[in-house]
Amino acid sequence: GDSVTQMEGPVTLSEEAFLTINCTYTATGYPSLFWYVQYPGEGLQLLLKATKADDKGSNKGFEATYRKETTSFHLEKGSVQVSDSAVYFCALSDRSYGQNFVFGPGTRLSVLP
Amino acid sequence: DAMVIQNPRYQVTQFGKPVTLSCSQTLNHNVMYWYQQKSSQAPKLLFHYYDKDFNNEADTPDNFQSRRPNTSFCFLDIRSPGLGDAAMYLCATSGIQGGVADTQYFGPGTRLTVL
Repeated sequence: GDSVTQMEGPVTLSEEAFLTINCTYTATGYPSLFWYVQYPGEGLQLLLKATKADDKGSNKGFEATYRKETTSFHLEKGSVQVSDSAVYFCALSDRSYGQNFVFGPGTRLSVLP
Repeated sequence: DAMVIQNPRYQVTQFGKPVTLSCSQTLNHNVMYWYQQKSSQAPKLLFHYYDKDFNNEADTPDNFQSRRPNTSFCFLDIRSPGLGDAAMYLCATSGIQGGVADTQYFGPGTRLTVL
């Protein structure tokens, strides 16, 4: 079945450092790919998405490129802030499977001032 | 603003005492989902509605039920909460594009405590 793998956390960075959170997926169809962010005590917020190969999603300084050849969707940000501290979930929606998402396990990011 | 609303944000119940969580949406989306999330793990899908069609996940306990009286509202009923049911419960909605569900939009969640 479909699956999403993310790098193990927690990730701890200093403010203004470069961020990469790796995400790879396995899918039998042609999935859409998503990054969600969850701040403490809150629900999940859509951060960015990409619906086909080579698409780049971007939002709030974060970006990720849909790489079909490496089945990856790594999240990057050039300069993180303390306010970026949260849990980040990579997810896919496989159109051939219908309506359900598959989430990765989540990566906790802590940014220190 | 169009949004997904969950009430209450925090719910405390006693072991075995039924509880109902509610979700409403102003997005007019066809699909509504209920997830259970523990300790910032990945959300676990309990069930979803595609319009009035109910779809239960195979491993969702019978203790969890759901109702969707109209497009805007969906309820999660826990008939006899156990200590293991303490968790964050997330409601999400999605529209339909090209015959399949599109991006999911989440509510803020209800934190359930079982005493």
